[in-house]
Amino acid sequence: GDSVTQMEGPVTLSEEAFLTINCTYTATGYPSLFWYVQYPGEGLQLLLKATKADDKGSNKGFEATYRKETTSFHLEKGSVQVSDSAVYFCALSTLSGGSNYKLTFGKGTLLTVNP
Amino acid sequence: DVKVTQSSRYLVKRTGEKVFLECVQDMDHENMFWYRQDPGLGLRLIYFSYDVKMKEKGDIPEGYSVSREKKERFSLILESASTNQTSMYLCASSLRGAGNTIYFGEGSWLTVV
Repeated sequence: GDSVTQMEGPVTLSEEAFLTINCTYTATGYPSLFWYVQYPGEGLQLLLKATKADDKGSNKGFEATYRKETTSFHLEKGSVQVSDSAVYFCALSTLSGGSNYKLTFGKGTLLTVNP
Repeated sequence: DVKVTQSSRYLVKRTGEKVFLECVQDMDHENMFWYRQDPGLGLRLIYFSYDVKMKEKGDIPEGYSVSREKKERFSLILESASTNQTSMYLCASSLRGAGNTIYFGEGSWLTVV
C-alpha cells in the first residue's frame, strides 16, 4: 500500500543552522506531496505542497522538490529560527475509491531550534 | 479563512462510556476526515466521508463509527470507550480532488480512565 517514510527525530539545531528533513514515499500512480507543520498544542497546518514531478513547493523559507526518480520530497530551510520548533509531517495524497483522495502521513519529525 | 472546529479540546471519559466527538467546517468541503495521533505512530486515518451520509473506513476503524447527516458536520463515535483509545483526535476537511489542501482542526485530547 501507499506509505511515507521520514527521518526519525528528534532533530536539534542551533539558530541559523541549515535544516534537512528527509522524506521518501511509496505510492501507485502520481500522488501529490505535502509537508504539514504542527506547533505545540495546535492542529496541523499546511506548510507547502507539490502536485507533480519536479515541482518545488515553498513557504516561509522552507522548500521541497518533488523527485519522482528517487520518490523523495525532502524538506529544507537555509537558516532556521527558534520559532520553527515544531513537529513536521510529510504526507501524500492518494486515490481512494472513485475520485476521492485521502492523505497518508509519515510519523513526524520533532525539530527543536535553540537560540 | 477555512475553519474546522472541534467541539471539545479536552475530555475525560470512563471505560465503557459512549463518546461523541463533533467537528464542523465552514467552507462547504465535500471531504471530511477523522485521524488519531499517537507518539511514535504519527497520524492514522480512522474514517473519512466524501459526501453526506457516505463514509469509508480508514486504516484503523475498529472500535469507532462515524455519522455525517449534514455536509458541514462529521461526528466520531466511540461506542464503548476503552483505555487504548486515549489519544489526540484530529478532524480535517478538504475539497474533492487531487492536490487539494486538507485543513485540520485544533484537535481533541481524549483520556479514557
